[in-house]
Amino acid sequence: GAVVSQHPSWVICKSGTSVKIECRSLDFQATTMFWYRQFPKQSLMLMATSNEGSKATYEQGVEKDKFLINHASLTLSTLTVTSAHPEDSSFYICSATPDRVTEAFFGQGTRLTVV
Amino acid sequence: GQQVMQIPQYQHVQEGEDFTTYCNSSTTLSNIQWYKQRPGGHPVFLIQLVKSGEVKKQKRLTFQFGEAKKNSSLHITATQTTDVGTYFCAGQLIGAAGNKLTFGGGTRVLVKP
Repeated sequence: GAVVSQHPSWVICKSGTSVKIECRSLDFQATTMFWYRQFPKQSLMLMATSNEGSKATYEQGVEKDKFLINHASLTLSTLTVTSAHPEDSSFYICSATPDRVTEAFFGQGTRLTVV
Repeated sequence: GQQVMQIPQYQHVQEGEDFTTYCNSSTTLSNIQWYKQRPGGHPVFLIQLVKSGEVKKQKRLTFQFGEAKKNSSLHITATQTTDVGTYFCAGQLIGAAGNKLTFGGGTRVLVKP
C-alpha cells in the first residue's frame, strides 16, 4: 500500500515558539492532503484540506493564522503551529489518498507538547 | 454541518463474545469507511461501503451500510485480544473533494481474556 510519512513523531516546544510538522507521500503524488487533530481518547477532528499549489481550506473554527499550511509540492505538505501555547498540545496527523484509490493513508502522527 | 455519531463510545468485551458498533450520519453519504486505530498508532483502513444496503465481510468482521446511506454498523464475532483498539467510521459526503472524511467519535474496544 501507499506510504505517508510524518515528521517529527513527537516534539516538545516552549510557549510562544513555532513548530513545523511535515507530511510526505513517499510513493505517490497527492494534490490533496488532510490535517487532523486528535485529543486523547477522542476522534479525529479535520482541521484543514491542504491543496497543492493553492491555499488550504480550513474547517470552521480553525485559525488559519495559527495553523499555517503549505503544500508546495505534490509529495509534501507542512503544518506550522505558530506561537504555540499549552492548549495546542495534541496529536496532529495527516492523511493522503492516491488517485483511483479509495482509502486514506495516514502518517504516523506527531505528538506536540507545549510547555 | 455534517455530523457522524458513533455508539457505543466504549465496549468491554469478553474474549470470544460478539459485539456491534453503530454509526449514524446526519446527512446522506456518498460512502462510508471504517478504520482501526491501535493504541499509540494511526488509523488503518478496514473497508469502504458504497451501495445502499451493502454488506461486506472480512473474516470475523461484518460491515453493513444502511438503505438510506446514513448509517452503518460493524459486527465482530468471537472477539480476540488482537481486536483491541478504536474503531472509527468515517463518512464522505456526496461531491466531497478528494477523500475528505468526517469521522465518528469512535468505539474503544477492550477485550477481557
